[in-house]
Amino acid sequence: DARVTQTPRHKVTEMGQEVTMRCQPILGHNTVFWYRQTMMQGLELLAYFRNRAPLDDSGMPKDRFSAEMPDATLATLKIQPSEPRDSAVYFCASGLSDEQFFGPGTRLTVL
Amino acid sequence: QKEVEQNSGPLSVPEGAIASLNCTYSDRVSQSFFWYRQYSGKSPELIMSIYSNGDKEDGRFTAQLNKASQYVSLLIRDSQPSDSATYLCAVPNAGKSTFGDGTTLTVKP
Repeated sequence: DARVTQTPRHKVTEMGQEVTMRCQPILGHNTVFWYRQTMMQGLELLAYFRNRAPLDDSGMPKDRFSAEMPDATLATLKIQPSEPRDSAVYFCASGLSDEQFFGPGTRLTVL
Repeated sequence: QKEVEQNSGPLSVPEGAIASLNCTYSDRVSQSFFWYRQYSGKSPELIMSIYSNGDKEDGRFTAQLNKASQYVSLLIRDSQPSDSATYLCAVPNAGKSTFGDGTTLTVKP
């Protein structure tokens, strides 16, 4: 049963700490997306990769967020330093064409 | 104007009724359209795709596309309480998708 996995599922941290979220896309999918979802903003695209190359990270605050794909089975999203306004659910999704398959998300709370 | 707009809702229908969810988009060159369902506390799940003008049926779900009017809709026949969720319209462009803000549907028993 192929599915996108994300770790951790929940993260509570204090302001100023580093947060790293991980995503394993579905094997064979060549495109990986990172989204953030809040009640106020809905689903926002932060960054995406195709064949491990970053294509667009214009949705990310560059000073504190970074996204990487060190290999085809792992994508990471890092926040350093974290702030309370970063509290949200972060989703990873993967796909081959325009269809996207979402992971379960990481619920981040920054105190 | 947002690239993808949906009825803000919430939409409430009685069990067994038809629920109609609407979406308009601004990019005339868009060729494919998707509907995702998101249950509360869960991640979005792809439920329908449509590429050509007209209707596409899948069980109780029908997607309708009118490219001239830049309009796509999702009809849910014989609505069930288990259909209660937020429905997101997505329009791909240049390798990424723009999502609407979603319409929250509640089906009352």
